[in-house]
Amino acid sequence: EPEVTQTPSHQVTQMGQEVILRCVPISNHLYFYWYRQILGQKVEFLVSFYNNEISEKSEIFDDQFSVERPDGSNFTLKIRSTKLEDSAMYFCASWAGGRPYEQYFGPGTRLTVT
Amino acid sequence: AQTVTQSQPEMSVQEAETVTLSCTYDTSESDYYLFWYKQPPSRQMILVIRQEAYKQQNATENRFSVNFQKAAKSFSLKISDSQLGDAAMYFCVHSGGGADGLTFGKGTHLIIQP
Repeated sequence: EPEVTQTPSHQVTQMGQEVILRCVPISNHLYFYWYRQILGQKVEFLVSFYNNEISEKSEIFDDQFSVERPDGSNFTLKIRSTKLEDSAMYFCASWAGGRPYEQYFGPGTRLTVT
Repeated sequence: AQTVTQSQPEMSVQEAETVTLSCTYDTSESDYYLFWYKQPPSRQMILVIRQEAYKQQNATENRFSVNFQKAAKSFSLKISDSQLGDAAMYFCVHSGGGADGLTFGKGTHLIIQP
């Protein structure tokens, strides 16, 4: 069964450094998403991406964040100048479009900023 | 804007018993889906069950079933014959489709007592 993959599973970085989180969505999917889950809190939408551009973004997704689909398979989230409060689980998801409106989630990347 | 409310931070049930997790939501969408996702300690997001708003019939998946009350904007999850492997965080989720991100509730931590 096709699945969304994410690398790395765990990333430790120092405050102020840049990190890139990588995702490989399901191959025939059209919509891609990033979500964040701070430990003990609910999952929050960051951004959606369709047709090689950002479709929607939340107020969390400020200038510190950027997304890119550098080739036909990868979908990346870049966080510039990381802060302690960026420590969280980051989930990538993808959707084929059409019904059902079901997004498939990757296993997540745990980001720890020290 | 959509909101999802889960009023039970934690629930406990004896193994083999039945438990119901509550969820209410508010939406401006006329066409939407509702989901229950399970998040075990591995933090992987696992789809448990989905409900299309246009369908009056409540969804069932083996031991899992929902009580969807559209007018009341209520979407509860019933787990029958609870098993130890059901222990996890359960999230109620709204999807309006398209580029919009999913809206998650805060989650209910389900404990299964052996």
